Amino acid sequence: DAEITQSPRHKITETGRQVTLACHQTWNHNNMFWYRQDLGHGLRLIHYSYGVHDTNKGEVSDGYSVSRSNTEDLPLTLESAASSQTSVYFCASSESAPGRSYNEQFFGPGTRLTVL
Amino acid sequence: QQQVKQSPQSLIVQKGGIPIINCAYENTAFDYFPWYQQFPGKGPALLIAIRPDVSEKKEGRFTISFNKSAKQFSLHIMDSQPGDSATYFCAASMASGTYKYIFGTGTRLKVLA
Repeated sequence: DAEITQSPRHKITETGRQVTLACHQTWNHNNMFWYRQDLGHGLRLIHYSYGVHDTNKGEVSDGYSVSRSNTEDLPLTLESAASSQTSVYFCASSESAPGRSYNEQFFGPGTRLTVL
Repeated sequence: QQQVKQSPQSLIVQKGGIPIINCAYENTAFDYFPWYQQFPGKGPALLIAIRPDVSEKKEGRFTISFNKSAKQFSLHIMDSQPGDSATYFCAASMASGTYKYIFGTGTRLKVLA
């Protein structure tokens, strides 16, 4: 069955370190998204991609970067981790359908990141 | 204008009750309104969705009511069960073909046995 996976599921790191969170989907979806979930803020979009070599900033992109070298993966990098980046991170994907502006987003299981 | 406002933040009901979660938006360019359900330790999953050309949509015990003129939509859970205890997110997607969702802040629902 097609799926979307994230790794690691839990990560503890120190302030200033570089951290990369992995996201891998086997649906062959063109669209991929990274969100962070914080109590009282819901799901906020960090970065997104509509295809290979395409990346776009979301509403909370400062301190994060992504790259898309193939259809299946969209890794999220925290260049210099800060305590404010302690959160649960979700990756999602959706297909592109010409003539339709919406498609179900399928979410991964999440990565809980703690920055000490 | 890009926000989706969701209320209440948390909700406790007795088994069999009908919890109602409300969302409001400002941008009339939104044309798709999904609701996602999230259980602890899991990723959100699509529950039900509606387009603004209809005022109501039902799927099992879950109903979306949509008021286009008021720019509001709500989720009703009929005959709620303890297994419905989860966090619920409303969202909105724009008609520009961006495939992006704007999510509400979430409602933590607890259904007591």
